[in-house]
Amino acid sequence: KNEVEQSPQNLTAQEGEFITINCSYSVGISALHWLQQHPGGGIVSLFMLSSGKKKHGRLIATINIQEKHSSLHITASHPRDSAVYICAVELNNDMRFGAGTRLTVK
Amino acid sequence: DVKVTQSSRYLVKRTGEKVFLECVQDMDHENMFWYRQDPGLGLRLIYFSYDVKMKEKGDIPEGYSVSREKKERFSLILESASTNQTSMYLCASWQGWENTIYFGEGSWLTVV
Repeated sequence: KNEVEQSPQNLTAQEGEFITINCSYSVGISALHWLQQHPGGGIVSLFMLSSGKKKHGRLIATINIQEKHSSLHITASHPRDSAVYICAVELNNDMRFGAGTRLTVK
Repeated sequence: DVKVTQSSRYLVKRTGEKVFLECVQDMDHENMFWYRQDPGLGLRLIYFSYDVKMKEKGDIPEGYSVSREKKERFSLILESASTNQTSMYLCASWQGWENTIYFGEGSWLTVV
C-alpha cells in the first residue's frame, strides 16, 4: 500500500466550480507539500504545510495532523487550473509522493 | 529565475547505449533527487544524495547509477539503456525539513 493516497485520481469540473482534492497518509510526517504539474512536465510547489491552513489566491490547503489528512481546494476554478496536483509528505528528510490527481476544468 | 536545470529535455537513445542525465541547482541545497514518472505510477525515487559524493538508493535503483562530484550537480547514469527505461525523469533539489522543494523541467527519454 502506498504511504500517500490521493483521491480522486481524475476530476473533471466546469469553470467556476469549487474543487477539492484529498490526500491521506499512513506515516508520521514533519510536513506536507502540494505540488502542481502542468502538461510538459515541470512541477512547481504550491504549499508546504505542517499544521492548519494556508491560502494563496484561489487555492487553499488544509491539514489535519491527527487524522493524517490534507485537502487542496480551488475556488472559482478556471481552465488554466487544469493540471496534475500531487501531494507529497516529508519523512526522515525524504519525500514520498502520491500518484497525483489529474484535474480538467472545462 | 531558473533554480533547477536539467540538461536535456528530450532524448532518443538506442538499447544498450550509456545515457547521462545532468541536473544543476543554484540554491546551495544539500539534498538532490532523481525520480522517474510513469503514467498511473506517480513519482518514484531512483536515487538521492544528501551531500557531495554521498548517494542513497531509492525505490527503483536497478539499472541506474548516480554521481555527485560537486554540490550543485547531480547526474543520473543509465549504464546500458533498455526500453523499460523509457520514461520522464525529474530532478529535484531540496534543503530539507519544511522547506520548498524545487523541480527541474523534466527529461523525456525514449529508448528504442
